[in-house]
Amino acid sequence: SQTIHQWPATLVQPVGSPLSLECTVEGTSNPNLYWYRQAAGRGLQLLFYSVGIGQISSEVPQNLSASRPQDRQFILSSKKLLLSDSGFYLCAWSVRQFNQPQHFGDGTRLSIL
Amino acid sequence: AQKITQTQPGMFVQEKEAVTLDCTYDTSDQSYGLFWYKQPSSGEMIFLIYQGSYDEQNATEGRYSLNFQKARKSANLVISASQLGDSAMYFCAMREGLDQGAQKLVFGQGTRLTINP
Repeated sequence: SQTIHQWPATLVQPVGSPLSLECTVEGTSNPNLYWYRQAAGRGLQLLFYSVGIGQISSEVPQNLSASRPQDRQFILSSKKLLLSDSGFYLCAWSVRQFNQPQHFGDGTRLSIL
Repeated sequence: AQKITQTQPGMFVQEKEAVTLDCTYDTSDQSYGLFWYKQPSSGEMIFLIYQGSYDEQNATEGRYSLNFQKARKSANLVISASQLGDSAMYFCAMREGLDQGAQKLVFGQGTRLTINP
């Protein structure tokens, strides 16, 4: 069966520090991969998605970037964090069928001080 | 303009009762999909049910069913025989588009459901 791992679960970082969140998927090949952010009490906002290695599409201009160095690895990064980057970050994967759901990781709670 | 509207910020229901969570959407596409997810306090997003715009029958998955009214652009989630474990945030999402097979989902603000014993 397929599983998705996301780490760390929680992270506290100072303003201006770098960020690296990692997500890996097991049990499937060539998945679509996604990064979302959820502000407190709000719905999810799609940040990035990837259909293959090295292919990244950005949905929202921001202080963040994403990379996909391997087929089942998706990384969210920042060179300098802002206070507004605080939130709950979720990674997801899906197969290449439009009527199949996205499956989410457990998320990372990021607090910027 | 908000594309997914969930008008109930919070719902309180007695255990074993049925509950309907509202979702309306806005799109000019003929082909689209609607998803419902459950988010417990632990944070993970759990897929519940899917309805395609061309599906003629309302989707059902166990205790979950989707009341899909295409002309009204609504896709309400119905949970039958509610249980204490159903207490969570519930999100309606619409597939806004496809890009090389990747789904672009837009989410509503969510409804917090509390089941009382």
